[in-house]
Amino acid sequence: AQSVTQLGSHVSVSEGALVLLRCNYSSSVPPYLFWYVQYPNQGLQLLLKYTSAATLVKGINGFEAEFKKSETSFHLTKPSAHMSDAAEYFCAVSSSSASKIIFGSGTRLSIRP
Amino acid sequence: DAGVIQSPRHEVTEMGQEVTLRCKPISGHDYLFWYRQTMMRGLELLIYFNNNVPIDDSGMPEDRFSAKMPNASFSTLKIQPSEPRDSAVYFCASSSLDFPSYEQYFGPGTRLTVT
Repeated sequence: AQSVTQLGSHVSVSEGALVLLRCNYSSSVPPYLFWYVQYPNQGLQLLLKYTSAATLVKGINGFEAEFKKSETSFHLTKPSAHMSDAAEYFCAVSSSSASKIIFGSGTRLSIRP
Repeated sequence: DAGVIQSPRHEVTEMGQEVTLRCKPISGHDYLFWYRQTMMRGLELLIYFNNNVPIDDSGMPEDRFSAKMPNASFSTLKIQPSEPRDSAVYFCASSSLDFPSYEQYFGPGTRLTVT
């Protein structure tokens, strides 16, 4: 069975500050890991994915995530937050043997001016 | 590609009425998923299809909900009769066996309000 846990349902940072959104996963097989972003009144959009290649994955809009097997983590970071980053972020997991994705509960990111 | 297309974008209906939500997946995708999103319950997988065949409908809340995929380019999610607690945003997503990670592409959603 697979699962993901997102730590913190709401994160607030100042514009220009580091963004860190936490995600831990559980998987009995090598996982594929994703971060999706949902802007207000829109569908989910793939931000980045890990599929067993490089452990540091770069995505759109300056975001990146690092796969750490020893910590079963896949945290999302951005060095400098922008007002346009305000959105809901979802971590998700699947595998080569799973045709569906398991989503976390989401973290709402707010940016303070 | 136009991406996943959903219609209508907004639906307001009265309790007891039938509601039909529509989805056109990305051409060539083998999998189609229906999700429901609410503030209380977050994002829930309702049902998914592979090559037009329902694979897992364990997330369908009750018999009032039904989903069909008559061909590779069209799916419907029907609620009959609708109830106020069905108010939510319903998303359709698709993915392809050609991408081993099965990353999903989401439509813009249908916001359903049942009064």
